[in-house]
Amino acid sequence: KAGVTQTPRYLIKTRGQQVTLSCSPISGHRSVSWYQQTPGQGLQFLFEYFSETQRNKGNFPGRFSGRQFSNSRSEMNVSTLELGDSALYLCASSLGVGVQETQYFGPGTRLLVL
Amino acid sequence: KNQVEQSPQSLIILEGKNCTLQCNYTVSPFSNLRWYKQDTGRGPVSLTIMTFSENTKSNGRYTATLDADTKQSSLHITASQLSDSASYICVVTNSGGYQKVTFGIGTKLQVIP
Repeated sequence: KAGVTQTPRYLIKTRGQQVTLSCSPISGHRSVSWYQQTPGQGLQFLFEYFSETQRNKGNFPGRFSGRQFSNSRSEMNVSTLELGDSALYLCASSLGVGVQETQYFGPGTRLLVL
Repeated sequence: KNQVEQSPQSLIILEGKNCTLQCNYTVSPFSNLRWYKQDTGRGPVSLTIMTFSENTKSNGRYTATLDADTKQSSLHITASQLSDSASYICVVTNSGGYQKVTFGIGTKLQVIP
């Protein structure tokens, strides 16, 4: 079975631009979560989707948004990019949303904002 | 405020030795605690998941413990290998209508020959 895939793997943008990141979960997985990882803050939770509905959301400004499609693929959008948005963005998928569900992470998209 | 604190921040051990990583949290009400291993440049990999009623869980040479009363967890690595060199991240999720996921900053482990 193919793992979680994220595209693109690397991205360079300038301040003020917007960016869209894509995540394809493991086949059969219906839950997708997004995380931001920076050296200073570590991992931070962005949001979680299940069956096209946002179930959970972290403490990020409204510039960060996401959606999930009927095939469980998910996209994350960041508008009006700031330098502080430079980070590794990780996507994780799981079969469902139970407390014992194992999450499988993708390799991440590394975003650099200049 | 929900917090997850991990110690030590970094650790160097000799191959074959055991080590224990600590995680203290203030997340409440508690739902589950997870330990992840993250190799440099890669996404985290799940090691263990524990709920309130579980106080120990093993995954090969990795054994996690949970004391929900004192809000402490530990990850014990037995007979360390060079491939155990990675960051180990403790993650606590609270229960309730809108779950909040809180991450520790991680412990960077280096296993040397």
